[in-house]
Amino acid sequence: AQRVTQPEKLLSVFKGAPVELKCNYSYSGSPELFWYVQYSRQRLQLLLRHISRESIKGFTADLNKGETSFHLKKPFAQEEDSAMYYCALSGTYKYIFGTGTRLKVLA
Amino acid sequence: GAGVSQSPSNKVTEKGKDVELRCDPISGHTALYWYRQSLGQGLEFLIYFQGNSAPDKSGLPSDRFSAERTGGSVSTLTIQRTQQEDSAVYLCASSLAHLSTNEKLFFGSGTQLSVL
Repeated sequence: AQRVTQPEKLLSVFKGAPVELKCNYSYSGSPELFWYVQYSRQRLQLLLRHISRESIKGFTADLNKGETSFHLKKPFAQEEDSAMYYCALSGTYKYIFGTGTRLKVLA
Repeated sequence: GAGVSQSPSNKVTEKGKDVELRCDPISGHTALYWYRQSLGQGLEFLIYFQGNSAPDKSGLPSDRFSAERTGGSVSTLTIQRTQQEDSAVYLCASSLAHLSTNEKLFFGSGTQLSVL
């Protein structure tokens, strides 16, 4: 089965603290993984994709095939990072999204 | 266009009525997706179009749901005999090509459907 699991519905951290949003997936074959973000009153938009191996807004994510994970990390959280984050997998015919994690960065 | 356009932005309807939700993708985007966003449920895949055809309709929750796309552009999601559990945000997304490695989804702002 093709599935994306985000175990945390809500993650609260203080400004300046490290952040790790967890994502695990189930997929046979070579997966394409993505993180999408939805800021308050904005559209859902791509944050980063594993194939690009990029850092966007200080966020990085490494694909770990052994652990089937694609956790999103940032060393120092900012208040503007508060948003809903979705991990996604490019599966057969469709993109499969997790249930999302709401990140709240406290001042 | 400037982006993916969805209408209406909000729809309140009575249980049992039919509703039509419209999505206007970015010009030239061949792939179009419909998702449903519910609290605590994440993004639930409904259907996708490649051009005007929908190879995978398995995500449609019931036979009350149908969708079509004409001219490789505008898509309409129709829900017949709406039920309260249909209340959700319906999101449309498009991409230049289907599941291409370097492609990304562009999302609309969604239609908030409330069934009373």
